[in-house]
Amino acid sequence: AQSVTQLGSHVSVSEGALVLLRCNYSSSVPPYLFWYVQYPNQGLQLLLKYTSAATLVKGINGFEAEFKKSETSFHLTKPSAHMSDAAEYFCAVSQTGANNLFFGTGTRLTVIP
Amino acid sequence: NAGVTQTPKFQVLKTGQSMTLQCAQDMNHEYMSWYRQDPGMGLRLIHYSVGAGITDQGEVPNGYNVSRSTTEDFPLRLLSAAPSQTSVYFCASSLLGTGNYNYGYTFGSGTRLTVV
Repeated sequence: AQSVTQLGSHVSVSEGALVLLRCNYSSSVPPYLFWYVQYPNQGLQLLLKYTSAATLVKGINGFEAEFKKSETSFHLTKPSAHMSDAAEYFCAVSQTGANNLFFGTGTRLTVIP
Repeated sequence: NAGVTQTPKFQVLKTGQSMTLQCAQDMNHEYMSWYRQDPGMGLRLIHYSVGAGITDQGEVPNGYNVSRSTTEDFPLRLLSAAPSQTSVYFCASSLLGTGNYNYGYTFGSGTRLTVV
């Protein structure tokens, strides 16, 4: 069975600082991994996805994530936080060939001016 | 292109009442699913469908029914609402991946349901 664990339910960073949101996965087969962002009172929007083509994945709004099989991790990073990045971020996993996504519990990012 | 449309956006029900949450997509996506979002628990899969006439249960299906009579629509029915069903409900859709590919989901904007 596949699952993801997001370390830290709340993360605060200063504007301009590095953003690092952690996600570790558990899967018995090579997974597909996703990061979604949810702004207040909105649905989830796809940030980026890993589908085994490249270990470093670039997404929208300057975010990127690196798939590390040895660490079973898929951490999300952004070099310089903007106020507009304040939102909740979800990591999700699916098995290759399957459509169901399993989501982590989310990390709320606060950006301090 | 409307994407995934959910109605209503807000709903208050009394315990024991029934209702249907509507979900429609105009992207000709074969796959559709329903999730509920609760604080500290992320999103949990309720039911999903891989095409018209095909539905299956997810992680938390009890108390909910679904049907898929058309590709576009995937309504979620609460048979007898309970306070434990107070949540935000999201509908999502995607193309079915060929081979091993997963496209990821397009989400609706959600329905906030309160059961009193």
